[in-house]
Amino acid sequence: GENVEQHPSTLSVQEGDSAVIKCTYSDSASNYFPWYKQELGKRPQLIIDIRSNVGEKKDQRIAVTLNKTAKHFSLHITETQPEDSAVYFCAATGGTSYGKLTFGQGTILTVHP
Amino acid sequence: DAGITQSPRHKVTETGTPVTLRCHQTENHRYMYWYRQDPGHGLRLIHYSYGVKDTDKGEVSDGYSVSRSKTEDFLLTLESATSSQTSVYFCAISEGGQNYGYTFGSGTRLTVV
Repeated sequence: GENVEQHPSTLSVQEGDSAVIKCTYSDSASNYFPWYKQELGKRPQLIIDIRSNVGEKKDQRIAVTLNKTAKHFSLHITETQPEDSAVYFCAATGGTSYGKLTFGQGTILTVHP
Repeated sequence: DAGITQSPRHKVTETGTPVTLRCHQTENHRYMYWYRQDPGHGLRLIHYSYGVKDTDKGEVSDGYSVSRSKTEDFLLTLESATSSQTSVYFCAISEGGQNYGYTFGSGTRLTVV
């Protein structure tokens, strides 16, 4: 099955800096790569996603890039703010149907004012 | 709200007892999933459903069973709870087709003593 590795496990930045979280996946048939943000005690929420036919996608201060050849994808957050502090998860579908997602281990992002 | 609710939100149970967690959706989505969340492991798939009475195992299904007798309800049962099943359990729904994005429930914090 699909295996997703996520790095780093913790990331600490100053407000206004950029943050980058990287994930690698194993199944070359994976075609959908979402990112979720989970605030303390809350449910994970989808913040951005990318499909395998696209190399980059942006939404205001966040962007995701995908390198299918290397089988890795990254989340970029620019101009970080304290409210960006949360746990971020990447995921991949694998080549299976039913939309099952395999998640990375998560990155705890802390933005210091 | 998100159209998906989980019950109970918190539960403490004793080792060896059966426990059932409920996930209810009002979105009429075809796909439903149960994940458990543990520190350092991200979100791991327990079971999933792709239709009424259609279910299958995920990567950590031992000790768990599921049922889906109606589109809106997906039940997760711990047949004989063990301390290793102490976790936060999340249900998720997905429309499927070209829209794989998950909507998560609020989670159930289960403690087995």
